Amino acid sequence: AQSVTQPDIHITVSEGASLELRCNYSYGATPYLFWYVQSPGQGLQLLLKYFSGDTLVQGIKGFEAEFKRSQSSFNLRKPSVHWSDAAEYFCAVGAPENDYKLSFGAGTTVTVRA
Amino acid sequence: EAGVAQSPRYKIIEKRQSVAFWCNPISGHATLYWYQQILGQGPKLLIQFQNNGVVDDSQLPKDRFSAERLKGVDSTLKIQPAKLEDSAVYLCASRIRDRITGELFFGEGSRLTVL
Repeated sequence: AQSVTQPDIHITVSEGASLELRCNYSYGATPYLFWYVQSPGQGLQLLLKYFSGDTLVQGIKGFEAEFKRSQSSFNLRKPSVHWSDAAEYFCAVGAPENDYKLSFGAGTTVTVRA
Repeated sequence: EAGVAQSPRYKIIEKRQSVAFWCNPISGHATLYWYQQILGQGPKLLIQFQNNGVVDDSQLPKDRFSAERLKGVDSTLKIQPAKLEDSAVYLCASRIRDRITGELFFGEGSRLTVL
C-alpha cells in the first residue's frame, strides 16, 4: 500500500526566510512523487513532480524538492518565501502501476509573517 | 486550455437531503477522479473513471454515494441521503491517458456543508 506522511501540520515563516516542508512516503516500488499547493478556496495546483533521473527537481514559483530514496523522503524547499506562498501544501505519491491514483498526505499549512 | 470545471462551488443542505456535483474535465482527458477532502485532511480518492467505465470505486460509500460518466466526458457525483460527516470539499481531477506524465489537473472543488 502507498502512503504519505507530512509531519508538520503548521509552519510559520518570516517573509524572505527559507522554507522546508517534510514529506515521507511509503511505496513498494519506485514512487512517483508530487507536491501540490492549495490556496484558500482554490483547487490543487501542481508545484513539481519526480519520476526518475535527477533527484533534485525544480518546480514553479521558485520551489524545489529533493528525492532521497534511502530516507523515503521528498522534502520541498524554497530559499526565500514571499507572502503569496501562504497556503496549504500537499505531498502525494502515485505510480503508473495503479493508474496514478494519488495518495495524499494530510498537508502542511504555511503562514508567512511580514 | 480551459481547466477542470466544477459546480456548484458551494452547497448547504440538511442531513438526509440529496445533492449532486458536476464536473467537466479538460478536453481530451480520458481519466477522471473524484476526491473527498475533509477539513484538515488530504484529499482521498472516491472513484476513478477511464472514459465512461469505472476503474476503481473501492473507497466509494455505495450505500449513499453514486457517480457516473455516461458519455465519457462530464461526470456527476451524487450523495443521497447526506450525513453530517459528508461535509467536505469534493474535488474533481482529470488526466490525459498516457503513462508518462501522471499529472492530475484539479478543479476548484465543490464545498458541501451538511447541517
